[in-house]
Amino acid sequence: VMTQTPLSLPVTSGEPASISCRSGQSLLPSDDGYTYLDWYLQKPGQSPQLLIHTVSSRASGVPDRFSGSGSGTNFTLKISRVEAEDVGIYYCMQRKEFPYSFGQGTSLEIK
Amino acid sequence: EVQLEESGGGLVKRGGSLRLSCAASGFTFTSYGMHWVRQVPGKGLEWVSFISSGSRYIYYADSVKGRFTVSRDDARDSLYLQMNGLRVEDTAVYFCAREGIFGLRWGQGSLVTVSS
Repeated sequence: VMTQTPLSLPVTSGEPASISCRSGQSLLPSDDGYTYLDWYLQKPGQSPQLLIHTVSSRASGVPDRFSGSGSGTNFTLKISRVEAEDVGIYYCMQRKEFPYSFGQGTSLEIK
Repeated sequence: EVQLEESGGGLVKRGGSLRLSCAASGFTFTSYGMHWVRQVPGKGLEWVSFISSGSRYIYYADSVKGRFTVSRDDARDSLYLQMNGLRVEDTAVYFCAREGIFGLRWGQGSLVTVSS
């Protein structure tokens, strides 16, 4: 089970934001050395898009204001300066073992 | 560019069947595992099923096990989800997604509505 907090995140443009994701079981690195914890953003009316994979690696084209960190059961997505285009629902996802699972989602809105 | 296009969604009565398709392009389909993920409108994401490259490994969520069957046709670069015994709670947008070490790539989704 993946638990995200907060579920709602109103942020002023230009301010930082942080989302926490906790796993019910420790997400230890797989034999290949990777920890399979990703972050996805679903913008309104769109399908989810990859932001961060394997805890801390930004997907191609993702601005460097997005960063991921964590290990074990605690993971964090940070946005250094929120912009209007960052509005949407953020999901963490574990891909260590089946069944894969998502957090409940965090809805980010601009104040 | 990775492209995934779902089709086959629609309105079906409770207990009925539907087959979703996902046409893949822009990558070597045979080399990748593929997922189905669904989303009840206005709700969160739920992983549904996975099929590995070569169809060696197949997994299902408990909520669909015994009712849904995932398959792939590598000659057609296509992924399928056969859904039988549909329930009202199966109403959702169904996304196909490509597995990869560096995260999932998603299609646009196909809406399945199960009426009572």
